[in-house]
Amino acid sequence: EAQVTQNPRYLITVTGKKLTVTCSQNMNHEYMSWYRQDPGLGLRQIYYSMNVEVTDKGDVPEGYKVSRKEKRNFPLILESPSPNQTSLYFCASSSWRSGAGELFFGEGSRLTVL
Amino acid sequence: AQSVTQPDIHITVSEGASLELRCNYSYGATPYLFWYVQSPGQGLQLLLKYFSGDTLVQGIKGFEAEFKRSQSSFNLRKPSVHWSDAAEYFCAVSSGGNLIFGKGTKLSVKP
Repeated sequence: EAQVTQNPRYLITVTGKKLTVTCSQNMNHEYMSWYRQDPGLGLRQIYYSMNVEVTDKGDVPEGYKVSRKEKRNFPLILESPSPNQTSLYFCASSSWRSGAGELFFGEGSRLTVL
Repeated sequence: AQSVTQPDIHITVSEGASLELRCNYSYGATPYLFWYVQSPGQGLQLLLKYFSGDTLVQGIKGFEAEFKRSQSSFNLRKPSVHWSDAAEYFCAVSSGGNLIFGKGTKLSVKP
């Protein structure tokens, strides 16, 4: 089954404790992206990657890191989480051959930073 | 800068009634436009897309949308709403490596 898998789905952590949210897709997609969703603000892009070893900042990259060492994986790293990073995070992937923007989304990771 | 506006934050319709969700975009070139739906506790699912050609596009679950360049709009419609359509709907425009989303319209369905 074609899917984007995120882990963990739910996480409560404390300020300053490094964490990683993993994202994996099995569709051989070149493009992957991270979004955060906050009430009243919609979805905002954090980082995206057009292919292996190619990453770029989105609209809200501060406080986040990413890497793209393999085509299928695109982890999101919070080096020193703060309460304003409490949010619902979505990973998404796309094949450019299917048209820019036709994204496949994971089910989301709800992060709470105390 | 490119942007997407969904003027309605929350809409309530009765089951069986027709639905129209509004979307306006700001984009310099010919846009790639999308509607996504997010059911409670779920990720987003693509409903339909417009790249070029026929300005009326059909999507899944009985939805359609019409691209109107003169009005910079891409409104989503459904002739008869079902209770299972209650969800949040996002309009989006593709811009380079980014997909710019509107802030969403939450749809509630009355029995």
